Amino acid sequence: EPEVTQTPSHQVTQMGQEVILRCVPISNHLYFYWYRQILGQKVEFLVSFYNNEISEKSEIFDDQFSVERPDGSNFTLKIRSTKLEDSAMYFCASRRGQGWDQPQHFGDGTRLSIL
Amino acid sequence: GQQLNQSPQSMFIQEGEDVSMNCTSSSIFNTWLWYKQDPGEGPVLLIALYKAGELTSNGRLTAQFGITRKDSFLNISASIPSDVGIYFCAGQGAGAQKLVFGQGTRLTINP
Repeated sequence: EPEVTQTPSHQVTQMGQEVILRCVPISNHLYFYWYRQILGQKVEFLVSFYNNEISEKSEIFDDQFSVERPDGSNFTLKIRSTKLEDSAMYFCASRRGQGWDQPQHFGDGTRLSIL
Repeated sequence: GQQLNQSPQSMFIQEGEDVSMNCTSSSIFNTWLWYKQDPGEGPVLLIALYKAGELTSNGRLTAQFGITRKDSFLNISASIPSDVGIYFCAGQGAGAQKLVFGQGTRLTINP
């Protein structure tokens, strides 16, 4: 069964450094998402992306965050200047369409540790 | 903003017992989803519900979309060791892209 794949599985970065998290959504999917999960807490929405633009974002997704689909297969999340509180699991998700029977499917996540 | 209250937060049961968990919201959702998360992995979709009142089964799992569209429950019958994990409900509102997640129910099973 097709999967959403994320790399790396674990990223350790110094505070203030830029980090890019990578995702390869399921190939025929058109809607892409990033979520984060701080250790022991619930999953929180960051941003949704469709047709090469952001369609919805949360208050967490401030100017330090950006997303990009640089080619036909990758979807990236960039954090420009990381803070300690950015430490979390970051999940990418994709969805084929907006139809009522088309749910979001998640990758296994990237654990981001800020030192 | 929209919030989901999921309960219970944790459950400790014996293998073979049935399990029930639920989510409630002050907002209406058009879609309710139930996911399971194993340690170090992402949420895996278990059941998706799209119509108020809908009752859907997936093997030993049964979930219902509340008639008011503000709640959902998930039942697991005859639990087995591989059911251990964290279960999340998630709701999606009309016209929204984002999923709103509950706080999760951590299920532990004693063999």
